[in-house]
Amino acid sequence: DGGITQSPKYLFRKEGQNVTLSCEQNLNHDAMYWYRQDPGQGLRLIYYSQIVNDFQKGDIAEGYSVSREKKESFPLTVTSAQKNPTAFYLCASSILGHNQPQHFGDGTRLSIL
Amino acid sequence: QKEVEQDPGPLSVPEGAIVSLNCTYSNSAFQYFMWYRQYSRKGPELLMYTYSSGNKEDGRFTAQVDKSSKYISLFIRDSQPSDSATYLCAMSGRETSGSRLTFGEGTQLTVNP
Repeated sequence: DGGITQSPKYLFRKEGQNVTLSCEQNLNHDAMYWYRQDPGQGLRLIYYSQIVNDFQKGDIAEGYSVSREKKESFPLTVTSAQKNPTAFYLCASSILGHNQPQHFGDGTRLSIL
Repeated sequence: QKEVEQDPGPLSVPEGAIVSLNCTYSNSAFQYFMWYRQYSRKGPELLMYTYSSGNKEDGRFTAQVDKSSKYISLFIRDSQPSDSATYLCAMSGRETSGSRLTFGEGTQLTVNP
């Protein structure tokens, strides 16, 4: 079945530690996205990528980094510079184009130890 | 002011009721409108997709777009307990950077048996 796989489902981070969230898709989509979801704030875009080896900052990129070495993969690193990392992180992908809906994975919940 | 406004609720209705969920927006360039359903601890799934103004029906769900009023709605007929979820509106237009979507905050719906 085609879809988006996020792992792990739950992740814990110690103070001062970087952690990486995995996102893999087999939909052959060119565009991929990372969102952060907090209660009462909806989805906020962290980074997005429209092509391999290229990505753009979203609205809340500070404290995060990404890479896009393969079309299928778009990992997100939450660095120690992100002071409030506890949130639900969602990865999405889509066909390129202004009229294309996005398809989401089932998220990773990150908490601070 | 947010580009997309959505009442977060929570909204609680009895089983069988007609539910009306709404979003207003300020960007007149938006042309593509989506509704996503998100169950607890899961990623959003695309429920309805409409282009420009008009209605679209899919089973118990009807999406309505009024571009002149910058107002979109999702109606759920004969609501079921399985409809209990958060509903997110999303939209984009030709001027949207890349393939980005702008999301509402989401409305939390509970359908009581």
